[in-house]
Amino acid sequence: DTGVSQDPRHKITKRGQNVTFRCDPISEHNRLYWYRQTLGQGPEFLTYFQNEAQLEKSRLLSDRFSAERPKGSFSTLEIQRTEQGDSAMYLCASSLLAESYNEQFFGPGTRLTVL
Amino acid sequence: GQQLNQSPQSMFIQEGEDVSMNCTSSSIFNTWLWYKQDPGEGPVLLIALYKAGELTSNGRLTAQFGITRKDSFLNISASIPSDVGIYFCAGLRKNTDKLIFGTGTRLQVFP
Repeated sequence: DTGVSQDPRHKITKRGQNVTFRCDPISEHNRLYWYRQTLGQGPEFLTYFQNEAQLEKSRLLSDRFSAERPKGSFSTLEIQRTEQGDSAMYLCASSLLAESYNEQFFGPGTRLTVL
Repeated sequence: GQQLNQSPQSMFIQEGEDVSMNCTSSSIFNTWLWYKQDPGEGPVLLIALYKAGELTSNGRLTAQFGITRKDSFLNISASIPSDVGIYFCAGLRKNTDKLIFGTGTRLQVFP
């Protein structure tokens, strides 16, 4: 049984650098979500995909952020020109689209530290 | 961003005690989910609730979907040390797929 996996688990970068994170959802799940969590807060929604289509983006997702899910399987989240305020835990979740049910299962997260 | 109100913010209890926490909102939700998060890890789904008034159990955990659809409750019976962590409620509104999370309840269990 493989759950949601994320890579890397930790990333330290210098301000201004670009970073890319990867998420592999549970294999039969067609929906994939990205959330961001800062210290002491609950996760906040960033964006989500149904198969390869990006269906919604939060206002939190500035133009420096881009997410893709090219083949409807794994997804990448790229942050360009990182800022110190981007330091957070980036969480990926997946779910299986089913009428009235939407249980989202989370991966272990990627902790980003921008120096 | 919007977050749901959870209380208490933190709890310090002795092993064997029961725990109650709640989550409230000013707006209606169609689904309530409860998660537990350990330090440095992602949230783990504990219980999902889909109908107003629904009461669902998962081992020592029991959760309820409030009748007004604006709140939810989680109870843990006979707490054990591995219950330590942060508990988050999360809600889904109708026709949306983005979870809105609560502010979290930090639970400490002393032997």
